Amino acid sequence: GQQLNQSPQSMFIQEGEDVSMNCTSSSIFNTWLWYKQDPGEGPVLLIALYKAGELTSNGRLTAQFGITRKDSFLNISASIPSDVGIYFCAGTSGTYKYIFGTGTRLKVLA
Amino acid sequence: NAGVTQTPKFQVLKTGQSMTLQCAQDMNHEYMSWYRQDPGMGLRLIHYSVGAGITDQGEVPNGYNVSRSTTEDFPLRLLSAAPSQTSVYFCASRRGTSGYNEQFFGPGTRLTVL
Repeated sequence: GQQLNQSPQSMFIQEGEDVSMNCTSSSIFNTWLWYKQDPGEGPVLLIALYKAGELTSNGRLTAQFGITRKDSFLNISASIPSDVGIYFCAGTSGTYKYIFGTGTRLKVLA
Repeated sequence: NAGVTQTPKFQVLKTGQSMTLQCAQDMNHEYMSWYRQDPGMGLRLIHYSVGAGITDQGEVPNGYNVSRSTTEDFPLRLLSAAPSQTSVYFCASRRGTSGYNEQFFGPGTRLTVL
């Protein structure tokens, strides 16, 4: 089945640093979503993007819908320990089905 | 609202056993779905439903059955469990069936098949 390529797979960062991750697809999407999953929990929606070029922020998080509609980016500024978790991108071309990325595991060193 | 609830939280089965994973939502959402999460694989869609009485297959449906007799409930059945079905299972729901509505996930069921 189709999967999104998400990178990096994991990263260690120092508290206070900025973080960037991205997701690419071979298909065009008309919606991109970014989720965070804490250990032992289900994913929680962080940001939703609905049109190419869109830049949306949620607190310290900023996400962009790529112009080609085949990629998306998530930035976290001034990371803190509670940012630890797995970040997933997901996309849909407007059908019922979301395609999920393989996740970026973020670990923050205090 | 409780949101999306799943039971059990943990389950261990022997190969060949059957069981049902329960999922319920109290948000009157039309769309419900089941995913499995395996290490390094992200979430993969097993089955989904766009309303009571309507179900369809996702990406990895083999070995699983679903039914949707009410808006609230969407159980996932394993008829004969196999070790390859060891995974974390998430149920999700959202209002409407377009991609523009937030999808809410349950806390997951961690299944081990021996």
